[in-house]
Amino acid sequence: SAVISQKPSRDICQRGTSLTIQCQVDSQVTMMFWYRQQPGQSLTLIATANQGSEATYESGFVIDKFPISRPNLTFSTLTVSNMSPEDSSIYLCSVQGYNQPQHFGDGTRLSIL
Amino acid sequence: AQSVSQHNHHVILSEAASLELGCNYSYGGTVNLFWYVQYPGQHLQLLLKYFSGDPLVKGIKGFEAEFIKSKFSFNLRKPSVQWSDTAEYFCAVMIRGGDKIIFGKGTRLHILP
Repeated sequence: SAVISQKPSRDICQRGTSLTIQCQVDSQVTMMFWYRQQPGQSLTLIATANQGSEATYESGFVIDKFPISRPNLTFSTLTVSNMSPEDSSIYLCSVQGYNQPQHFGDGTRLSIL
Repeated sequence: AQSVSQHNHHVILSEAASLELGCNYSYGGTVNLFWYVQYPGQHLQLLLKYFSGDPLVKGIKGFEAEFIKSKFSFNLRKPSVQWSDTAEYFCAVMIRGGDKIIFGKGTRLHILP
């Protein structure tokens, strides 16, 4: 399966700032996704990162808050903007081939003071 | 909307006990089914998957799951658990031919040594 590198692995940020999380895959993949896993909760899909076009956001998530880029088939970024304590969570990148299981990165543990 | 229900949120067992974690989904069409595991401090890993064929699928580390279409279920089993099985387990469903995976809320399994 693909090897997924996610950076940073963790960060502590101030309220009102923004953080960009990077996801790098060692091979070209069809689909890339961004999830959030809040403490004690399951995974919630934020958006599908589309190569060369705007991401497809799930209900409750908007581009202004979570801008996503995917310039090519192996790389994507998620920015958490204007952070508040409610954004404290683990953010996960995943990749998937068509009709295949998803594989996940190690995640970014984000804490907002 | 499609959903995945995991009946047990927290399970505590002694080593060598048998394990069964329940998972039901709501979707009338053809699905692919997954169990993922997240060991403490690690990323999500695929434990096993069902796409078609034999409804009894075997995964890593002695786990198996049985797809019962009439019950919309995909329960995870292991005849004899080990302390190292302590982890959180997520059931997930993907509509056949689709791209998104829907996750259950997870079951936290704690094995007593």
